[in-house]
Amino acid sequence: KQEVTQIPAALSVPEGENLVLNCSFTDSAIYNLQWFRQDPGKGLTSLLLIQSSQREQTSGRLNASLDKSSGRSTLYIAASQPGDSATYLCAVVFNTDKLIFGTGTRLQVFP
Amino acid sequence: DAMVIQNPRYQVTQFGKPVTLSCSQTLNHNVMYWYQQKSSQAPKLLFHYYDKDFNNEADTPDNFQSRRPNTSFCFLDIRSPGLGDAAMYLCATSRDSPSSYNEQFFGPGTRLTVL
Repeated sequence: KQEVTQIPAALSVPEGENLVLNCSFTDSAIYNLQWFRQDPGKGLTSLLLIQSSQREQTSGRLNASLDKSSGRSTLYIAASQPGDSATYLCAVVFNTDKLIFGTGTRLQVFP
Repeated sequence: DAMVIQNPRYQVTQFGKPVTLSCSQTLNHNVMYWYQQKSSQAPKLLFHYYDKDFNNEADTPDNFQSRRPNTSFCFLDIRSPGLGDAAMYLCATSRDSPSSYNEQFFGPGTRLTVL
């Protein structure tokens, strides 16, 4: 069964800390992986898309890496800010041609 | 700005009373998706349209239907909402199919409450 798992489920850090969110998936034959941010009661905002042939993508303070052989992706957030508080979702396109989501990591950055 | 728009943002309906949720996009994307997201759960794909071709997920209840009258609009119809259908409904688009390395863009969602 194709599954996406995110650990930890929740994370609370002080402002300014660098942090890593983890995503693991059960099948290395993927097309791409996408990281999203979701604020409470809101829709999803796409942060980064990594194609299967890529190892990482960067946008501002965010860096996402992909290791297909180990079935893992990480989202690195540098110099975290209270405005980064949200739920971060990892989603993978396997050969079923649809996004399979993890249940997310709820991040709180406190001042 | 090009975007995905969902109306209404909040919808309250009564048990068994049909309801329609709306999604529109200005991105001119070929593919439109409907997801259901219950509290603290991952979004779950209900169905998607590739242009006019409708693709239903095997476990989507018959109570859920969809229409795509043109490229820009897509509707989600819930024929007889039950209490278990209360959720956030998310619309998304992509230029082409996910396996073609296309990013999905999401709307703000419609929060459905069933009384």
